[in-house]
Parts: sequence; structure tokens; C-alpha cells
Amino acid sequence: DIVMTQTPFSLSVTPGQPASISCKSSQSLLHRDGKTYLYWYLLKPGQPPQLLIKELSNRFSGVPDRFSGSGSGTDFTLKISRVEAEDVGVYYCMQTIQFPLTFGGGTKVEIK
Amino acid sequence: QVQLVQSGAEVRRPGASVKVSCKASGYIFTTYALQWVRQAPGQRLEWLGWIIAGNGNTQYSQKFQGRVTFTRDTSASTAYMELSSLTSEDTAVYYCARDRVDDSGYDLDYWGQGTLVTVSS
Repeated sequence: DIVMTQTPFSLSVTPGQPASISCKSSQSLLHRDGKTYLYWYLLKPGQPPQLLIKELSNRFSGVPDRFSGSGSGTDFTLKISRVEAEDVGVYYCMQTIQFPLTFGGGTKVEIK
Repeated sequence: QVQLVQSGAEVRRPGASVKVSCKASGYIFTTYALQWVRQAPGQRLEWLGWIIAGNGNTQYSQKFQGRVTFTRDTSASTAYMELSSLTSEDTAVYYCARDRVDDSGYDLDYWGQGTLVTVSS
């Protein structure tokens, strides 16, 4: 199984400031089709996971451009250029290259 | 618009079974698959498996093999997840999520609202 390791465990961010979350996989997520199958989700209490970034760096429909994904192989980063109050919640990375699908441990983002 | 609507919260005794439904709308049900994921209190998200809605083929996480069953009713555009021999460790929110069916990686884009299953004596 691919192990996903996410850091930090939590972040406290001033509105308008940037935030960055790291995710590492135990195996490369580069598929033979040339895409990297690393996804980012935001989970808020009482709501289903919201897809933010798919295939490493592609923002999902309706996701603000302050969210960006980058990285390669086994090291990945989610960046929020200017955190807003609505961005609070727990962020998860997930590998979707092979079964079993596996998730990072989550990063809780709160506003200062 | 794509929607996945799950059945309501359930409470079960240890040793019992539970069946959760996931009704799809806004897309052609049989051209996608449904993934099932859960989150227990204080735990990370955990994958249970998937069912291809078109042909009913399934794949289960080894952890749940023999205890979980996925089915679907194409006439109702609904998928089901049944988990048996419940213990308190199965207390969790269970989600379904839509996924494409092709030769690329998996793509969980739209998710159901979640179903809380509580196992308690």
C-alpha cells in the first residue's frame, strides 16, 4: 500500500497570508499516461469532502485560483496564496494511482 | 448538476449489519463507478472499495473483504454498501463518491453528503 504522509498537523494563519501544506508518498504517483495522481480535498464539519486539486495541479470546477498544487514523483505541496475565513477545515491529500486508495493524515487549518 | 444523495444516519448493535444507499442524479449512472470511503472519529479517511455501475464489478479493500458488499440498482441509479459483523470500530461517516471508469488513475470528483453509522450496545 502507498503510504501518504502529510505535514504539518495543523496551521494557524492570519487572513490574507499564505499557507502551504506538504504531502509525501511512499511510491511515485506518476502514471504511465504521464499524469500524477495526487488529489487534494477540503473537509469541513458536516460536509462531504470538497475536491480542490486533481491530478497534481488542476483546480476542480469552481475552486478559487488562490489554491494551487505542485510537486512531482513523491513530494507534493498545496498552497493557498491568501487565506480567507472560508478556507478553514481539514485538508487531505490522496493518491489515486492504485488500489487501495490512501489518504494523508490531514492538516487542520484555522484562522488566527 | 451531479448529485449523490445518501440515506440517513443509522444505529446498530455490535454484530449487526447496515446497508447504506447512494442515489445518483445529473449524469448517466452506468457510465461511472462509485467509490466508498469512511472516516471514523479522529481517524483519517479510509477506502472501502468500489463498484462499477455499468457491469456491477467490484473491488474491495483487503481490510473489509468478506464483510462488505457493494451492489447497485441501475433502474434507480442507486448504489448500496452493506457492512456486516459490525463492531464499535465501524462507527464512522460513510461516503460514496463518483469515479470514472477508464485506464487512467482514479478520479473521485463528486461526493455524497455522508451517512453516520453508529455501532453501540
